[in-house]
Parts: sequence; C-alpha cells; structure tokens
Amino acid sequence: KAGVTQTPRYLIKTRGQQVTLSCSPISGHRSVSWYQQTPGQGLQFLFEYFSETQRNKGNFPGRFSGRQFSNSRSEMNVSTLELGDSALYLCASSWGGQGGNGYTFGSGTRLTVV
Amino acid sequence: SQQGEEDPQALSIQEGENATMNCSYKTSINNLQWYRQNSGRGLVHLILIRSNEREKHSGRLRVTLDTSKKSSSLLITASRAADTASYFCATEGSGNTGKLIFGQGTTLQVKP
Repeated sequence: KAGVTQTPRYLIKTRGQQVTLSCSPISGHRSVSWYQQTPGQGLQFLFEYFSETQRNKGNFPGRFSGRQFSNSRSEMNVSTLELGDSALYLCASSWGGQGGNGYTFGSGTRLTVV
Repeated sequence: SQQGEEDPQALSIQEGENATMNCSYKTSINNLQWYRQNSGRGLVHLILIRSNEREKHSGRLRVTLDTSKKSSSLLITASRAADTASYFCATEGSGNTGKLIFGQGTTLQVKP
C-alpha cells in the first residue's frame, strides 16, 4: 500500500516568486491536511480539504491557498514568497472522520526562499 | 499561541531506560495523538487516545490522558537507540476534524 507522496522533496525559490506543492494521499483517503514546520513556530496547521471542499483553515495569510481534486490529490500554493516562508511543508491524509487511526504524513517538501 | 506545551524539551537517556514525555493542551479535545519525527522528515503516527479513555498501550508505548488537567504523558519502556527522535503530541478538537494542534515537541536521545 503506497504511502502519502509529496513532490517535490526540495525546492529553492526567490522572494516574490510563487510555488506549488503537491500531495497524493493514500488510496481511499478523502481528507488531506497541510502543515508548516519551522524551528521558531513549530508545526502549524494551514488547511484541510475533504472531498474537494476546504473544511478547516489555519491562521495564515491569503498568500497561502490550496485545492483538492476529485482523485483526492491536493496542491498548496504560496504566492509572493517571503524569506519567512522557508519551512518544511507536510501533508497528512486520512479517511476523513475524526481521529480514526490517526493521520499518515508524507515526507514533506523542504522549501527554501532566498 | 494555540499550541500545547511539552516537557521536557530535550531528554537524554541510556539504552534500556524508560523515557517519559509530558504534554499539556489548552482546549477541549476529541482525541490526543502522539507522533515521532526523525531528523526533520515526515511524522509517524504512534498512538491515539480518545477523550473518554484514560490509558492506552501499544507495544512499548503507554499513553495516559487526564482531561481534567488537560494533560497527557507518553512512556517509552526499555528504550533503544532507534527511538532517538523528536516526539510530538497533537490534539484534535470536536468539530475540527482534520486539524491537529501540535505541541512544541520533545527531543529524545537514546545513547547505546
């Protein structure tokens, strides 16, 4: 059974550019959540999608957006990149109900903004 | 901050010893989960305890939950060098499905 796949693994972008990250959940999982991890702020929730609808949103500026496709794959986009956006971005998938057996995380995309 | 607190921030023990990590949180929860992270990689789910449970076991792991004190602890017994990692607690609130609030984590080093 394939795990959660995040692409790309590493990314270097310049300030002001935009970036799109991809997450393919475990087959059958309909929920995808996104998190940002930085040394200073730790793990912070960005947003969660279930059946193509955003169900929950964290406290991030509008530059951070996402979407989910009918096959449950999800993308997140960050526009007008800032140095502070450098982070490990993690996605997690689940069947969509609360708790269950926990969430399965991908290996993350490490974004560096220069 | 919405995040919970974990203590200690860092823990160093010898192989074979037990490791205990504590987590406190702020809001009412549906469940609390523990995750492990090796060297900045993805998180691995370890165990989930629901708000109506007090204790749960999984292999060498034992988790307790005290909702009156809004706290949880993770005990790893007979630790191994391979247990060296960062450990995070995360809470999921009722009505906030898919949104985990993470603690700051405990870095565990197990010396061979």
